[in-house]
Amino acid sequence: DAMVIQNPRYQVTQFGKPVTLSCSQTLNHNVMYWYQQKSSQAPKLLFHYYDKDFNNEADTPDNFQSRRPNTSFCFLDIRSPGLGDAAMYLCATSSSTSGDYEQYFGPGTRLTVT
Amino acid sequence: SQQGEEDPQALSIQEGENATMNCSYKTSINNLQWYRQNSGRGLVHLILIRSNEREKHSGRLRVTLDTSKKSSSLLITASRAADTASYFCATDGGGGFKTIFGAGTRLFVKA
Repeated sequence: DAMVIQNPRYQVTQFGKPVTLSCSQTLNHNVMYWYQQKSSQAPKLLFHYYDKDFNNEADTPDNFQSRRPNTSFCFLDIRSPGLGDAAMYLCATSSSTSGDYEQYFGPGTRLTVT
Repeated sequence: SQQGEEDPQALSIQEGENATMNCSYKTSINNLQWYRQNSGRGLVHLILIRSNEREKHSGRLRVTLDTSKKSSSLLITASRAADTASYFCATDGGGGFKTIFGAGTRLFVKA
């Protein structure tokens, strides 16, 4: 089945220790998104790729970076995680060909910062 | 600030009852979508309604859209315990591929 996969599902990192979260998709969608979701809140868009074009949200901290080496994979790098970065990180994809941009989400990675 | 505001923030009903959730937004849209999120999981797309549509059905789901009031509602009929989840409305802000989520309604269906 076509899907969005996120690894790992749970990640524990130490304060200040770089961490990378990964996302892969078999949907062949050209748009990929990273969201941060804190408890009982809406997902907050961090950035997205439209094909190879990277688009950063204005309020996304510089501590967060992303890479998309090919259509299928996208990575979220947190260079120096702080306690406030503990959250669920959601990857999503959509296709510009549909025109509606319905998003398909992965199961998320829950990040704990100790 | 977020595009959508949802009402109520939380809703608790008995199995078999209907659940209605409302969403208001601020700017023009091309479409509005509803998503469900089970606890600790990713979001699942439920239904999309375009700006030129007023009502749409999918199984036990009924969505309405009033662009003059910038509001939408999601009705879940004959609710089941498995419907327990958070429900989010999301709009494209008229811009297409960026989706802006509302704060969500937490629905609890008691068996």
